[in-house]
Amino acid sequence: DAKTTQPNSMESNEEEPVHLPCNHSTISGTDYIHWYRQLPSQGPEYVIHGLTSNVNNRMASLAIAEDRKSSTLILHRATLRDAAVYYCILLNQAGTALIFGKGTTLSVSS
Amino acid sequence: NAGVTQTPKFRILKIGQSMTLQCTQDMNHNYMYWYRQDPGMGLKLIYYSVGAGITDKGEVPNGYNVSRSTTEDFPLRLELAAPSQTSVYFCATRTGPNQPQHFGDGTRLSIL
Repeated sequence: DAKTTQPNSMESNEEEPVHLPCNHSTISGTDYIHWYRQLPSQGPEYVIHGLTSNVNNRMASLAIAEDRKSSTLILHRATLRDAAVYYCILLNQAGTALIFGKGTTLSVSS
Repeated sequence: NAGVTQTPKFRILKIGQSMTLQCTQDMNHNYMYWYRQDPGMGLKLIYYSVGAGITDKGEVPNGYNVSRSTTEDFPLRLELAAPSQTSVYFCATRTGPNQPQHFGDGTRLSIL
C-alpha cells in the first residue's frame, strides 16, 4: 500500500507563506494526492487534491513533483486559523485511504 | 443541508456491551467510510461502501460490522465492546472516485 511521509511539525508566522512537504515514493499511477487538515475536536476538512498538475484553489496551492514522488502544500499567507494537523494521503479509485499517517502539526504565531 | 451527521457525539460503554454508531448523509453520495482515530494518531479505515448493498473491509475491521441498506445511512456496529475500541470514530462520504471526502464531526467513544 502506498504510504506518505511528512514532518511531524512545522512552525510559521502569520502572513508568511508555508510550504508543507509530503513524500510518497511508492505512489501508483492512478493514485490521487489529497490534503486534509484537522482542527482539535473536529473531523478532517478537505483542502486540495491533484493527480499530476499543480492545483490552486481558494484555500491553498498544491505543487506536485514531475515524478509524482513528492508534493508540497502551499499556504500563501498563514493565519492563526490555519494552525492544524495537515494530512497528505493517497486515494485510489475506490477511495480506500488505507494509510492516513500522523500528519504535520502546523503552528502559527502572531 | 446537514451534510454528514453522526450520532451520538459522545458515549461511554462497559466492556462487552454493544452499540451502533449512526451516520447519515443528505448529499446523495454513493461512497461512505468509517474511520477510527486513536489519540495522537492519524485515521484508520474500518469499513467502506461504494453504494447501497455493498460493503467492504478496510485496514482495521475486526470487532466491527456495517450495513448499507440505503444510500443515506451507513451504521457501524460494535458487538462486544473492548477497551481497545476506545477511540474517536469518523464517518465520511464522497460522490465518486478521486473526489474529496466530507467528514462528520465524529463520535467519541470510551469503553471502560
